[in-house]
Amino acid sequence: SQQGEEDPQALSIQEGENATMNCSYKTSINNLQWYRQNSGRGLVHLILIRSNEREKHSGRLRVTLDTSKKSSSLLITASRAADTASYFCATDKSGNKLVFGAGTILRVKS
Amino acid sequence: SAVISQKPSRDICQRGTSLTIQCQVDSQVTMMFWYRQQPGQSLTLIATANQGSEATYESGFVIDKFPISRPNLTFSTLTVSNMSPEDSSIYLCSVAGQGPEKLFFGSGTQLSVL
Repeated sequence: SQQGEEDPQALSIQEGENATMNCSYKTSINNLQWYRQNSGRGLVHLILIRSNEREKHSGRLRVTLDTSKKSSSLLITASRAADTASYFCATDKSGNKLVFGAGTILRVKS
Repeated sequence: SAVISQKPSRDICQRGTSLTIQCQVDSQVTMMFWYRQQPGQSLTLIATANQGSEATYESGFVIDKFPISRPNLTFSTLTVSNMSPEDSSIYLCSVAGQGPEKLFFGSGTQLSVL
């Protein structure tokens, strides 16, 4: 069964606005990761947050993790048309086996 | 980071045939994985490709349907056997990077079965 569930399923915003995506998971984790997928092709790793961390930043990305609620959020600030993609959270099952969430389709309109 | 070459990038196949997907990495890696992404869905792990031994399959996936080879630390193949339209998906290979928690992905193989 799928570990991570994400919402919203789809998000459409104007260029320059912020985009927030949420991910919930069911079991304890070592870390949670976010990936981006353009046009149904290969995934690109964006950011990793460990279970003992609460917030992490990377450029325009901000990730939070609440292990008590088993949830995470990804915030993309000042969005650009090039940010249009699908975004997936992933949690580690064991031995590098990642379990991916359902994903959020982000569309940034210019 | 690892550079992964996956081919073919797409194929259209007839029901009942088989397709072999190749994954070549530019460096030696210990962990290689094969994922399936059905239309509009998330990624599901098919198996871990083990060098020099049989692949480790996840629940719901069997070797007869998805045989995997891993002859060395830079190369693996996934075969989708006796295909049906339900096998139409994107198939992705991935490898563990330095860390080694994060994964690097190939560009995927878009498979359509008629």
